[in-house]
Amino acid sequence: DTGVSQDPRHKITKRGQNVTFRCDPISEHNRLYWYRQTLGQGPEFLTYFQNEAQLEKSRLLSDRFSAERPKGSFSTLEIQRTEQGDSAMYLCASSWGQGIGELFFGSGTQLSVL
Amino acid sequence: EDKVVQSPLSLVVHEGDTVTLNCSYEVTNFRSLLWYKQEKKAPTFLFMLTSSGIEKKSGRLSSILDKKELFSILNITATQTGDSAVYLCAVEPAYSGAGSYQLTFGKGTKLSVIP
Repeated sequence: DTGVSQDPRHKITKRGQNVTFRCDPISEHNRLYWYRQTLGQGPEFLTYFQNEAQLEKSRLLSDRFSAERPKGSFSTLEIQRTEQGDSAMYLCASSWGQGIGELFFGSGTQLSVL
Repeated sequence: EDKVVQSPLSLVVHEGDTVTLNCSYEVTNFRSLLWYKQEKKAPTFLFMLTSSGIEKKSGRLSSILDKKELFSILNITATQTGDSAVYLCAVEPAYSGAGSYQLTFGKGTKLSVIP
């Protein structure tokens, strides 16, 4: 499978715990994005990487959230001290070339914070 | 702040019907409008529209953009049960600093096609 893969598919955690998600983009894609989606809403932008550089971060993103993309390959998204409001689907997407254009999304990680 | 409004939010039709989904937007600097289909988890790309009045077509799906009135429509003819999904509309800004790299999505239209 050469698409965007995300791990784990589901994560259940207790409030206050830290969680980390992984995203492996399509190998030739230099652009990587994280979005969050809650029920009945469209995806909401979290952060963007071009190669290994994090070029944009949503102003709505709490400082409990951090993302990395070492060596411009896979990316991780960590949420510290999780809250019930963090429960959502976390989607990773990748693309290449000019513009955002056609994003290729992974199947997401569904986070439930109890 | 960029804004995308889709209507209706949900729609139930019978197989063979034709449907029209609407998307209106407000964006400071417009580059493109995109349509995605989300069946279970991962949204999949349908169309990217940059110019007014030019219809994009793929099989039974077609879409057109009106940059003057700031809206787009997605048409699906002869609907099938496999068309059941959430259809998402998003706008891409032209690059000009902060916010340049993010798509702004609408809430989506949930389409249910009944046999």
